Amino acid sequence: DSGVTQTPKHLITATGQRVTLRCSPRSGDLSVYWYQQSLDQGLQFLIQYYNGEERAKGNILERFSAQQFPDLHSELNLSSLELGDSALYFCASSEGVRGEKLFFGSGTQLSVL
Amino acid sequence: KNQVEQSPQSLIILEGKNCTLQCNYTVSPFSNLRWYKQDTGRGPVSLTIMTFSENTKSNGRYTATLDADTKQSSLHITASQLSDSASYICVVSAQAGGTSYGKLTFGQGTILTVHP
Repeated sequence: DSGVTQTPKHLITATGQRVTLRCSPRSGDLSVYWYQQSLDQGLQFLIQYYNGEERAKGNILERFSAQQFPDLHSELNLSSLELGDSALYFCASSEGVRGEKLFFGSGTQLSVL
Repeated sequence: KNQVEQSPQSLIILEGKNCTLQCNYTVSPFSNLRWYKQDTGRGPVSLTIMTFSENTKSNGRYTATLDADTKQSSLHITASQLSDSASYICVVSAQAGGTSYGKLTFGQGTILTVHP
């Protein structure tokens, strides 16, 4: 168990809808990262938050947004969902901002029908 | 463009046998190289992390090597077990300045299947 908790484990929704994925980092970790893993692609970095502030942005679509709350949990919001958004979404956390040691959650499997 | 390529894409071996997975990268400037194990439906778990000056690192039956000159790494698994069946992902981190996140480039992974 990595100590990173993601909910829900599975999510099935329709095109055009909006969903929220939730992540609780390991105790003591200030950084949260979001990644997308599609069926035939490697993990793609979406965004990083450190102590409530956005620190780095990857290939995140404008339809997606995230935030980190004062208790350090994070939410990834996906809106106007398309079929191609179906993927595994992973959250990871690290103690510092540089991401030297990442601990991954078990992921949320999103299926857009 | 930073890239990480892994080979083979998939590998089937018998329990008890050894195997070696390969990783070639073109990430610059290089900071460190990591190997992760990802079980089906689970998040990746770190096996090893190596910096420029390290050319080998072990974690139990897993031994990673790094040749920074040729930009190649390998992960050797000895005396394989059924529980080694997983995807093995090579991840290379680019250097970041100061307090910035070192951008990670992920390989596609090698799917290892260990048969009894």
